[in-house]
Amino acid sequence: GAVVSQHPSWVICKSGTSVKIECRSLDFQATTMFWYRQFPKQSLMLMATSNEGSKATYEQGVEKDKFLINHASLTLSTLTVTSAHPEDSSFYICSARDHRDGRFYEQYFGPGTRLTVT
Amino acid sequence: AQKVTQAQTEISVVEKEDVTLDCVYETRDTTYYLFWYKQPPSGELVFLIRRNSFDEQNEISGRYSWNFQKSTSSFNFTITASQVVDSAVYFCALRWGTYKYIFGTGTRLKVLA
Repeated sequence: GAVVSQHPSWVICKSGTSVKIECRSLDFQATTMFWYRQFPKQSLMLMATSNEGSKATYEQGVEKDKFLINHASLTLSTLTVTSAHPEDSSFYICSARDHRDGRFYEQYFGPGTRLTVT
Repeated sequence: AQKVTQAQTEISVVEKEDVTLDCVYETRDTTYYLFWYKQPPSGELVFLIRRNSFDEQNEISGRYSWNFQKSTSSFNFTITASQVVDSAVYFCALRWGTYKYIFGTGTRLKVLA
C-alpha cells in the first residue's frame, strides 16, 4: 500500500513559539506533497504545494513567512508554524503524490496533526 | 474556477435507513476526478471512491453506491442500511489538471441506534 505518516499527531504550544510538523511517505517517493488546514467543523483548505528540492507554492492568502515548508527529500516534507498564535490552532493534514503510477499520480493523505496554541 | 457544493450540512438517520449524500461540482476542465472521503472523529481521511470524468458508470460496493451524472454535474453517494459506525463527516472532492484537490464543505452524518 501507500502510507503517509504525520508527526506529531497532536501538539500544544504556547503563543509565540514555533512548531514543526513532519509529513512522511513511508513506502513510496513523493516529489510533491500538499499541506491542508482544517478548522473545526469546516472543510479542508489547501495551504501550499511542496515540491522536493524547490520552493513551495502557497495558495492565495497563506503567509509563506509564517508557514515555512521544506521538502528536503523525496519522503519528507515539514511545515513549521512560526510565532504561533491561538488563531493558528487547527487540524493540519498533508498529502503525498505517488508518482510511480504514471497514469494517475494517486495522492494519499496523512492522519493529520492537531495543533492547539494556548 | 473549480467548486464543490455539498448542500447538506448535517443529516440524521435511524440505523438501517438508507441515506444519500449530495455533491454538485463545477469545473471547466474536461478531465477531472471526483472523490468521496469519510472523516471519522479521529480526523483521518478515509478514501472511499474515485471516479474520472470519462467514466460515468455507477458503482456499488457493499452498502455503498455512487451515482455520477455529468449532465447535472452531480456525484451522489448512498449508504444502504446505515449503521452507527457510518457516523462521520463525508467530503466530496474534485481534482483537476494541477493535481490540486478542492473539497466540499462536508456533510455530517449521524446514524442513531
